[in-house]
Amino acid sequence: EVQMVESGGGSVQPGGSLRLSCAASGFTFNTHWMSWVRQAPGKGLEWVANINQDGSEKYSVDSVKGRFTISRDNAKNSLSLQMNTLRPEDTAVYYCVRSIGGGDPFWGRGTLVTVSS
Amino acid sequence: QSVLTQPPSVSAAPGQKVTISCSGSSSNVGSNSLSWYQQFPGTAPKLLICANNKRPSGIPDRFSGSKSGTSATLDITGLQTGDEADYYCGTWDSSLRVFLFGAGTKVTVL
Repeated sequence: EVQMVESGGGSVQPGGSLRLSCAASGFTFNTHWMSWVRQAPGKGLEWVANINQDGSEKYSVDSVKGRFTISRDNAKNSLSLQMNTLRPEDTAVYYCVRSIGGGDPFWGRGTLVTVSS
Repeated sequence: QSVLTQPPSVSAAPGQKVTISCSGSSSNVGSNSLSWYQQFPGTAPKLLICANNKRPSGIPDRFSGSKSGTSATLDITGLQTGDEADYYCGTWDSSLRVFLFGAGTKVTVL
């Protein structure tokens, strides 16, 4: 059974940092692009970043460039998102997604990040 | 304002059909595969359509997708009260190097 479990969310003050993790199981992790997608309260979906199978290609939305870093550890079947200099507008549920846009995507249940003073 | 344009809402009576449009450009809808997602409040999005018109296993054939040029549509036939949800289109943009979502369409069953 495919599972992807996000962790690391929580409350942080503006300017702070958080590291999100996604533990994947039930599929061959190192053969899939992986992404982070977020959804602010009451808002639509926003793709944040993605990374290719071996970590050599990464892309991200302009609003997080220079602040967020996506990475993966294929030995541990794990995806991460290091989030620095957090802003209130980063408040959202963050989803770990396998193969977004592909033929076999899979979404985790998400983890909530709240940035507030 | 989203690069992919969807109507904010559509509605119809039970048993009827609704069509949700998703309009983009040559660098996104026009050149990459499009997906459609269904989302209920408080839950993760669920894939309805991938590769423009393919239904994953378990998705009823009441849901169908199509694409022509820089526009795509999701049709829901035989509308049921359980179809009330938000629907998003999504695709890669080859020029911007980002994955795009439409702003979402709320389906209401009258």
